[in-house]
Amino acid sequence: NSKVIQTPRYLVKGQGQKAKMRCIPEKGHPVVFWYQQNKNNEFKFLINFQNQEVLQQIDMTEKRFSAECPSNSPCSLEIQSSEAGDSALYLCASSLPGTGGWAPLFGEGTRLSVL
Amino acid sequence: LAKTTQPPSMEAYEGQEVNVSCSHTNIATSEYIYWYRQVPHQGPQFIIQGYKDYVVNEVASLFISADRKLSTLSLPWVSLRDAAVYYCIVTHQGGRALIFGTGTTVSVSP
Repeated sequence: NSKVIQTPRYLVKGQGQKAKMRCIPEKGHPVVFWYQQNKNNEFKFLINFQNQEVLQQIDMTEKRFSAECPSNSPCSLEIQSSEAGDSALYLCASSLPGTGGWAPLFGEGTRLSVL
Repeated sequence: LAKTTQPPSMEAYEGQEVNVSCSHTNIATSEYIYWYRQVPHQGPQFIIQGYKDYVVNEVASLFISADRKLSTLSLPWVSLRDAAVYYCIVTHQGGRALIFGTGTTVSVSP
């Protein structure tokens, strides 16, 4: 019973189309992560936020990927021009940073298929 | 930064105990260890966490070596529903970064 809500569960796009997915983090978790999981079950970090501010992001994210976590709205990850290699499971996770050892929570993911 | 490695796969029969190991040789004093399971078409689900020694909850137990470089997830009495990919994750930067293990696919036969 995940408390991180991701929508949509499945997304099908043609090459060159925009793809947008959303994430509502666990209440009270200020840190949000986006990961891309490929068919080999490898996790690739994309970007993370603390509140509305970007903490870290990879170069790929800066080019075709954009993400935001506005206050009082879902976080979102958008791919401006989808490519076949973007087909993957996109996972959102949230956490409460600090020394208390709070477990990050993951959403169910958005499965993107680029045809 | 901790690097985490796991055996790629394990097999078990229903009713057996399964022990999945994770090596995190560069783990720092500030980093915690978490274990998750993932089944197809779902996100990773939290199982158990620890910092040192031995932790147990209603579904699993976790042993962490004294030097914290190795952790072992123990699943007692596995059933077919426990077939999944199990990941250890080490948090870094006070929980602002996640270091994923390579994942262990656990297969369960009747």
